[in-house]
Amino acid sequence: ETGVTQTPRHLVMGMTNKKSLKCEQHLGHNAMYWYKQSAKKPLELMFVYNFKEQTENNSVPSRFSPECPNSSHLFLHLHTLQPEDSALYLCASSQERGGGETQYFGPGTRLLVL
Amino acid sequence: GQNIDQPTEMTATEGAIVQINCTYQTSGFNGLFWYQQHAGEAPTFLSYNVLDGLEEKGRFSSFLSRSKGYSYLLLKELQMKDSASYLCAVRDSNYQLIWGAGTKLIIKP
Repeated sequence: ETGVTQTPRHLVMGMTNKKSLKCEQHLGHNAMYWYKQSAKKPLELMFVYNFKEQTENNSVPSRFSPECPNSSHLFLHLHTLQPEDSALYLCASSQERGGGETQYFGPGTRLLVL
Repeated sequence: GQNIDQPTEMTATEGAIVQINCTYQTSGFNGLFWYQQHAGEAPTFLSYNVLDGLEEKGRFSSFLSRSKGYSYLLLKELQMKDSASYLCAVRDSNYQLIWGAGTKLIIKP
């Protein structure tokens, strides 16, 4: 596989469920990102990892918990979500955080919270 | 606060030319990106401008004026496959990307 992959592509969960989103990049990059994309709104940066270290957490509720075991993999653990958390969750990667790097995106996980 | 403005939706005809504008107010400037996003797919990188002027890439061109806080994406010889959302993003002084809400472009035959 090439580029950035995400699984699952679609997820429906109840408010009491626990689920995880997975992202994998095959580009040899060192920075990975989680974004939330809601209809007609700008992309919202959630978390940034650079060389496996979390460098940014943009005031994201604790019901979202990221994990980055290595530079190629990124997870987003979800628990006790709210209906307003329904959105497209995009993962991206870049050579590293800062500088002139371009971010490359995965296809996203479409999440519906009931 | 930081803000990126772009039109919500535009319609154009196959074979024609369309210009999608983006204005920005950010804390510093370290480059402007345009991405294309087809429905249900990943945003894909189109162009990057850091200096004033026009960058041309085939049917797509991107223009930047830093003094005016303004950019546009120009699409020529429109094809049906160009129907997508176009996202403008500016990197601020902290190298954080500030995103616009995107412009949905509808191409009609």
